[in-house]
Amino acid sequence: QKEVEQNSGPLSVPEGAIASLNCTYSDRVSQSFFWYRQYSGKSPELIMSIYSNGDKEDGRFTAQLNKASQYVSLLIRDSQPSDSATYLCAVNKGPGNQFYFGTGTSLTVIP
Amino acid sequence: GAVVSQHPSRVICKSGTSVKIECRSLDFQATTMFWYRQFPKKSLMLMATSNEGSKATYEQGVEKDKFLINHASLTLSTLTVTSAHPEDSSFYICSARRTPPFGNIQYFGAGTRLSVL
Repeated sequence: QKEVEQNSGPLSVPEGAIASLNCTYSDRVSQSFFWYRQYSGKSPELIMSIYSNGDKEDGRFTAQLNKASQYVSLLIRDSQPSDSATYLCAVNKGPGNQFYFGTGTSLTVIP
Repeated sequence: GAVVSQHPSRVICKSGTSVKIECRSLDFQATTMFWYRQFPKKSLMLMATSNEGSKATYEQGVEKDKFLINHASLTLSTLTVTSAHPEDSSFYICSARRTPPFGNIQYFGAGTRLSVL
């Protein structure tokens, strides 16, 4: 069983819509959860970090964490073509431990 | 966010030469840095974990004599691809871990695209 699982997509949404990206993780002791955005040919860029159950909002982005169900999601409101990228979910079990990355979900926002 | 600098951004070299890639955390100290490799349209593959002042921990299947890692200071880790061959051509990305109280977050360098002729 993989540590982190994501639907590879591709996910297509029209401009202005809400894009919903999901991620599940296997180890209940996981403590820290991250969403990275990676444009083609570029390195990952941190979008959100979340550590406790519930929602965390930052601009058009909302991360949602549900530790009981072991999933973390990312919502992108008012999607823009510039949001088209691969979104990586990452999980960490605490300082000193490895980060585990999902394989990424490819998002295309259609103008 | 924190800044991680990776240099060079692009390298083209002849087969058999060695290539050194530097990864620097510019505004924080990083006891742990990571080296990844990524092929086109594929996911990140962790190669090794670089620990300041100690030997790197390599993932299964990664040749430690081929990919030499040195983490001599809290802000610098280097990856040397020794005797590079065309199959080593890839996108290499480093990252540095920033630890509490600033969260437990991994920040990435911009990556190095290596082409071995």
